[in-house]
Amino acid sequence: DVKVTQSSRYLVKRTGEKVFLECVQDMDHENMFWYRQDPGLGLRLIYFSYDVKMKEKGDIPEGYSVSREKKERFSLILESASTNQTSMYLCASSLFSREAFFGQGTRLTVV
Amino acid sequence: QQQVKQSPQSLIVQKGGISIINCAYENTAFDYFPWYQQFPGKGPALLIAIRPDVSEKKEGRFTISFNKSAKQFSLHIMDSQPGDSATYFCAASKGNTPLVFGKGTRLSVIA
Repeated sequence: DVKVTQSSRYLVKRTGEKVFLECVQDMDHENMFWYRQDPGLGLRLIYFSYDVKMKEKGDIPEGYSVSREKKERFSLILESASTNQTSMYLCASSLFSREAFFGQGTRLTVV
Repeated sequence: QQQVKQSPQSLIVQKGGISIINCAYENTAFDYFPWYQQFPGKGPALLIAIRPDVSEKKEGRFTISFNKSAKQFSLHIMDSQPGDSATYFCAASKGNTPLVFGKGTRLSVIA
């Protein structure tokens, strides 16, 4: 079974903290993505990567950065967490941007 | 600019009825149109997908209808069951670019 694993299901962080969300896939996929899901807004693309050490900005990259040091791992970094970054974060991976496999999500609350 | 518009936002269907969710897209270069299903507490999972060279694809009770000239595609769920209650997302992509998602439809199937 294909698997995308996000390190935390729930996180509570304080405003101004640096936050790391980790994602690991076991399918040897080149492409990895970070989306943010908010009610009524659907899934919005934050960053994506087509290869190790590569990164591309998505539609809402402000306040975020990413790291991809190994093919199977893609990290999302909130440099200085703010309350408007409270959301569900979804990691996904795919081969040639076709079927995207999603992790279970990390529900982040910034207080 | 919203590239994929999905409607309705929410839908209530009687058990055994037909659920219909619609999406419209703007970019004629899109060449892949998947539907994702998401249950509470889970990440989205691919349900069914279509390419623009066919007008319909059926998998069990789920059918995608595709109208290239109108730039629209829809998901039909026949004989809807309470277990189909979930949030459904349409999406689109071109080549090896990330999926662009609609805002989602929350489906409730009531007995």
